[in-house]
Amino acid sequence: GENVEQHPSTLSVQEGDSAVIKCTYSDSASNYFPWYKQELGKGPQLIIDIRSNVGEKKDQRIAVTLNKTAKHFSLHITETQPEDSAVYFCAAYYGQNFVFGPGTRLSVLP
Amino acid sequence: DGGITQSPKYLFRKEGQNVTLSCEQNLNHDAMYWYRQDPGQGLRLIYYSQIVNDFQKGDIAEGYSVSREKKESFPLTVTSAQKNPTAFYLCASNQGRTDTQYFGPGTRLTVL
Repeated sequence: GENVEQHPSTLSVQEGDSAVIKCTYSDSASNYFPWYKQELGKGPQLIIDIRSNVGEKKDQRIAVTLNKTAKHFSLHITETQPEDSAVYFCAAYYGQNFVFGPGTRLSVLP
Repeated sequence: DGGITQSPKYLFRKEGQNVTLSCEQNLNHDAMYWYRQDPGQGLRLIYYSQIVNDFQKGDIAEGYSVSREKKESFPLTVTSAQKNPTAFYLCASNQGRTDTQYFGPGTRLTVL
């Protein structure tokens, strides 16, 4: 079955710096990769997604890149702000369902 | 105001008791899902339903049961057979299998 690894597990950056979170997946049949942001005590919220026919997608300060050959995809957050502090999850669609990474706790320090 | 609602937000249960978590969506989505989240871990799939009156086990279905009698509702029962039920439970839905999943706000269950 599919396995999704996510690194790093924790990440601290200074406000205004960039943050990068990387996920790798095991099955080349996976074709859809969403990223979620989860604030404490709340449900995950979709922030950006990418399908396998696209190499990069941007939405303001957030971007996702996909390398199908290497089977990894990354979340890039530029000009980080304190409100970006949260846990971020990647996921890969495989078979009939999504498989989620273990999450990255991002802390943006003022 | 469309979305997914879960109730209650917090739930306390004594050992040996069954408890039912509610999940309702007004997005007209066909598919609904239940996940369990433990501290520092990702989401693990408990049950999912692609259509009304049909559902399948996920990776950790033991000790849980569900029903899908209506398109908008997918309640989860945590039975006394679940050995470690204390966790954060998340409900999600999407229109089709490869479509984006949208999550509810979650229910935190604590067994006393």
